[in-house]
Amino acid sequence: GAGVSQSPSNKVTEKGKDVELRCDPISGHTALYWYRQSLGQGLEFLIYFQGNSAPDKSGLPSDRFSAERTGGSVSTLTIQRTQQEDSAVYLCATRLAGVTGELFFGEGSRLTVL
Amino acid sequence: AQRVTQPEKLLSVFKGAPVELKCNYSYSGSPELFWYVQYSRQRLQLLLRHISRESIKGFTADLNKGETSFHLKKPFAQEEDSAMYYCALGGSARQLTFGSGTQLTVLP
Repeated sequence: GAGVSQSPSNKVTEKGKDVELRCDPISGHTALYWYRQSLGQGLEFLIYFQGNSAPDKSGLPSDRFSAERTGGSVSTLTIQRTQQEDSAVYLCATRLAGVTGELFFGEGSRLTVL
Repeated sequence: AQRVTQPEKLLSVFKGAPVELKCNYSYSGSPELFWYVQYSRQRLQLLLRHISRESIKGFTADLNKGETSFHLKKPFAQEEDSAMYYCALGGSARQLTFGSGTQLTVLP
């Protein structure tokens, strides 16, 4: 597709359930990022992939959060045993290798944990 | 550590008035600074970067290393400028560090 695609766009779940959020990057973009956007908190960095490897996982808030990327393309962010504080918009962004700064964002997945 | 501070969560100005969105950063190396914008119901997108020294949609931003600032300015605000603006810092880490954002409202 022409842009970064994320699914689902909206997810409502019950506390304690697991959720998976998916990101389809722009073709050829080898760098992929996950951010979390909470009201009043700005964008919080979660994890960065270069190809299939994740050299920077420093932003994952707890061991309930994990992410993987396969084939240097699609990435999945998994949150296990969701908590109410996990409610936020999860944004995926990608860029070309070697081009710093210009990230192309998806529309986000809005997660609501009841 | 990299840090970006946007002191104003909300900013309102009247159409035609000048606007300045403040951004301060903390970084020990040579920074790369960016402004991103998110219009209502649209995805976050790059507005401008300091290295380009360009004006986009009438906005400019100058990197002041002495004051560690990268404020975004426009001499005459328009209603279509109403949006959420994020300042971002690229440093030694490959990821961008974003500020908490400023919601700009331009009143008619």
